[in-house]
Amino acid sequence: SAVISQKPSRDICQRGTSLTIQCQVDSQVTMMFWYRQQPGQSLTLIATANQGSEATYESGFVIDKFPISRPNLTFSTLTVSNMSPEDSSIYLCSVLGEDPNEQFFGPGTRLTVL
Amino acid sequence: KNQVEQSPQSLIILEGKNCTLQCNYTVSPFSNLRWYKQDTGRGPVSLTIMTFSENTKSNGRYTATLDADTKQSSLHITASQLSDSASYICVVSKASSYKLIFGSGTRLLVRP
Repeated sequence: SAVISQKPSRDICQRGTSLTIQCQVDSQVTMMFWYRQQPGQSLTLIATANQGSEATYESGFVIDKFPISRPNLTFSTLTVSNMSPEDSSIYLCSVLGEDPNEQFFGPGTRLTVL
Repeated sequence: KNQVEQSPQSLIILEGKNCTLQCNYTVSPFSNLRWYKQDTGRGPVSLTIMTFSENTKSNGRYTATLDADTKQSSLHITASQLSDSASYICVVSKASSYKLIFGSGTRLLVRP
């Protein structure tokens, strides 16, 4: 199984600022994803982080708000830009295992926007 | 529309008791169904993965069933422990796609 770490684990931010979340995997992976989990809700896919090219965003999510970097096969960042209280959520990084039926999740970053 | 619905939304049981969580889905074409456990403040952890041909799969005290004809699944927890308190999420994968369709989860609280 893949071991995924995220930084920071939690943060409290002011409205209008930006936060960059880091995701580190202990092995090279092809597919890496970013999810959002709003309070009391299940997970929603934000985008697929593609190595060497622009991320693929899901409906309702745009690059200007959630820019993503994927410089190599073990690392990705998600930035939450110009934050508002509605962005308060848990943000999770996820990767596919060697078996594509397996998907592993990071511990999440709990973001609170005041 | 591809959907995954879970019931109950929340459940409280006494330690040592058994419980069963339900999942209905309308995802097509179907690839596999997974149950994840998510502790508060943590990422989801996979409990079981079942493909079309599998009816039952166990992982310790967790037993998942799948009826692909009726598009229903259940997760049975035996002899519950306090550490079972978590959200349990049913997730369905579409064939030829890496995208997952998540249920809203069942919040389980096990009381001493």
